[in-house]
Order: sequence, then structure tokens, then C-alpha cells
Amino acid sequence: DARVTQTPRHKVTEMGQEVTMRCQPILGHNTVFWYRQTMMQGLELLAYFRNRAPLDDSGMPKDRFSAEMPDATLATLKIQPSEPRDSAVYFCASGLQSSQPQHFGDGTRLSIL
Amino acid sequence: DQQVKQNSPSLSVQEGRISILNCDYTNSMFDYFLWYKKYPAEGPTFLISISSIKDKNEDGRFTVFLNKSAKHLSLHIVPSQPGDSAVYFCAALRAYNTDKLIFGTGTRLQVFP
Repeated sequence: DARVTQTPRHKVTEMGQEVTMRCQPILGHNTVFWYRQTMMQGLELLAYFRNRAPLDDSGMPKDRFSAEMPDATLATLKIQPSEPRDSAVYFCASGLQSSQPQHFGDGTRLSIL
Repeated sequence: DQQVKQNSPSLSVQEGRISILNCDYTNSMFDYFLWYKKYPAEGPTFLISISSIKDKNEDGRFTVFLNKSAKHLSLHIVPSQPGDSAVYFCAALRAYNTDKLIFGTGTRLQVFP
């Protein structure tokens, strides 16, 4: 059964440190999404890619967050410098263009001390 | 501005009875809706969807109803089982414009024996 794989599953680090989260989308999926889950906002879309090109990153704080797809099998989300308010669960999802549903990974639980 | 709202943060239902989870939306341009189910420490998994050209879609114990005039949809689970205990997210999409899913904040369902 094909799955979206996210690493690491948990990350605890101190404020100011760089954090990198990785995602391996399902093979053949050409659209990749990054979400953040918070209690108040639910699942917020941070950015998404189609065919490795960024389509929308309007949900992402530009000054500290960056998202890339170095190749079709890897998507990364970086935070530099990290802040305590970035503590959340970050999900990656993949899908086929203009087709639902999206398939989610199990998330990276990030804690910034 | 929350375009998709799940006003009940939690719901408790006895096993065997019906669970009704509600979702309201504000954007009349949404034309496709999905429900996702999420267990702790896992990513959301797709449950059921409905297009705006329909008012009902059924899959086993799960039925989604759409009332476009009221901008309201609901998920019915009958009969409810303890394994249905999870957080349920409603999501909306402008299918022919974008792949962007807009999620609600979720409703935690607990099914007790």
C-alpha cells in the first residue's frame, strides 16, 4: 500500500536552530502539499508544488520558512531560525493534479523550546 | 477568516447509534467537499466526498449530505462503532480552479460502549 513518508516523526530543538522536515510523496503523484496543524486553525496549507514547481506559498511565513522539491521523490520544509510559535504538527500530502483525494503522511511533531 | 467551519469541537455518541458531524462553509464557489478522519499520531485519511452537483453520497456506514442553499454539509455514521473514535475534518475545494483544500478545525468524535 503506497504511503507518504515523513521524517523525522518528532523533533525537539531550541529556539533559533534550523529545522528541516522531509517528505517522500507517493510514486507517481505530481502534487505535493505542506500543512501545519494547530488547535486554533486546524489544518493550514503552507505551500504546494505541482511537477516540482512551487504553485502557492501564500500560507507560509516567508522570512523564516522555505519549501523546496529537489527532485520528484523529495520535498523539504525548512525553518530558520525556528521560534516557539512554530511548534505544531507538520503534514505532507501528495496527490494527482486536479484529482482528489490527497494522501497524507503521518506528520512531524515539532517542538521549539 | 475561516471559510470552512466545524462549530462542534467534540461529540460523544453511544455505540450503535447515529453520529452526525456538521460543517458550514462561506464560499459559494466551493464545488467539491471531502471528509477526512484522523487518529492520534497518524495523518488524516480520506473518508468520503461529495460533488456540489449531488446532495447525498453514501459509502457503507458513512453518508454525506450537502445543502448548498444553506452552505452546510453533514457526515452521518450509522451505526457508530468504537473504532470510529477519531477527529473528523471537513474540507472544501474549488475543483476546477485549484488543488487547494480548505480544512475546518475538526470535530473529535468519541464512541462509547
